[in-house]
Amino acid sequence: AQSVAQPEDQVNVAEGNPLTVKCTYSVSGNPYLFWYVQYPNRGLQFLLKYITGDNLVKGSYGFEAEFNKSQTSFHLKKPSALVSDSALYFCAVRDIAGGFKTIFGAGTRLFVKA
Amino acid sequence: EPEVTQTPSHQVTQMGQEVILRCVPISNHLYFYWYRQILGQKVEFLVSFYNNEISEKSEIFDDQFSVERPDGSNFTLKIRSTKLEDSAMYFCASSELSSSYEQYFGPGTRLTVT
Repeated sequence: AQSVAQPEDQVNVAEGNPLTVKCTYSVSGNPYLFWYVQYPNRGLQFLLKYITGDNLVKGSYGFEAEFNKSQTSFHLKKPSALVSDSALYFCAVRDIAGGFKTIFGAGTRLFVKA
Repeated sequence: EPEVTQTPSHQVTQMGQEVILRCVPISNHLYFYWYRQILGQKVEFLVSFYNNEISEKSEIFDDQFSVERPDGSNFTLKIRSTKLEDSAMYFCASSELSSSYEQYFGPGTRLTVT
């Protein structure tokens, strides 16, 4: 069965410092991996995805994520955090062979202090 | 930029009543989804819809739920007889093509069952 784990409920970082939001996944086959961000009272916004190819993928707003197959991880990173990055971040996985169902992690709340 | 829209933004209903949540997906998208997010919990997949039929559904999507694309633009979720535990934020999403494509989410409908 597919699953996604985001081990941190909350990540705190100072503005200008690098940030990492962790995600590990479990699928029976090969994964499609996604990061979404949710601002208060808004829907989820797509940030980036890994489908195939280069393990480092770049997305919106300066975010990037690294796919690590051996560690089954897909951590979200940004070299320099902004206060406006404060939001709820969701990692999601879809099994390539598993149809249309996307499984979301529980979410990690990112706080960036000025 | 095209976006997914949902109406109403907030629906209050009494237990046992029927509700219909409405969504207008992005116009050239072919796959449609409903998710729900109970307050403070993870985003849960309910159902996916393609070519005028359900392509996949979760165990949450029981006989009380149904989906429909009544015309070329709307995509609806009906809950026949609401229960207190149906109170949640319901998100509609659409994607352009198949499973490797990111989903675009609407802003959500907050359903409160009293």
